[in-house]
Amino acid sequence: DIVMTQSPDSLAVSLGERATINCKSSQGVLYSSNSKNYLAWYQQKPGQPPKLLIYWAFTRESGVPDRFSGSGSGTDFTLTISSLQAEDVAVYYCQQYYSSPYTFGQGTKLELK
Amino acid sequence: QITLKESGPTLVKPTQTLTLTCTFSGFSFTTTGVGVGWIRQPPGQALEWLALIFWDDDKRYSPSLQSRLTITKDSSKNQVVLTMTNVDPVDTATYYCAHRLQPRWFDSWGQGILVTVSS
Repeated sequence: DIVMTQSPDSLAVSLGERATINCKSSQGVLYSSNSKNYLAWYQQKPGQPPKLLIYWAFTRESGVPDRFSGSGSGTDFTLTISSLQAEDVAVYYCQQYYSSPYTFGQGTKLELK
Repeated sequence: QITLKESGPTLVKPTQTLTLTCTFSGFSFTTTGVGVGWIRQPPGQALEWLALIFWDDDKRYSPSLQSRLTITKDSSKNQVVLTMTNVDPVDTATYYCAHRLQPRWFDSWGQGILVTVSS
């Protein structure tokens, strides 16, 4: 199984400041034949299902604000929120879809400072 | 527009079998690459992927739960059923079903159903 480890577990950021969440996979999720990283990011607010933010490690889903960006390759990935808004308070998960079982990270809780 | 909705019992007793149904619209298993997965989330905890069924009836399971899980589909009814045997209180969680196109991410999710395992 590919183990996904996120850091930090929780993060407090002031409004308008940058938030950075890291995700590390125990094995590479870069598929060499197409040079794509099989890594997605989701946002989950209380009482709601997860919402897809980013796929292929850096491609924003339609409708996702451009303050959200993804980066990284291979085993190390980052989700960055460039200027935190109040509505961004949530738990964020990374997930690999490179191979079954399609594992999630443990989540990072983002709060307002 | 893709929609999914989970249904089933909200309370089950330990050792019983849990059967959950995902009813969807906006896509079909006649489309190559379509998949529906199940993911659960214990209260206050992380997401855990459970199982996935593909348009061609291929199936994948979480290794840690494989012996207890069965996933099936009824294409005519646009439904996917997840069965979990011998449930335990640790199986208390919100269970989600989600749409996926092979070999991709989960792009649409149901609202989830909270299942409590208690005597």
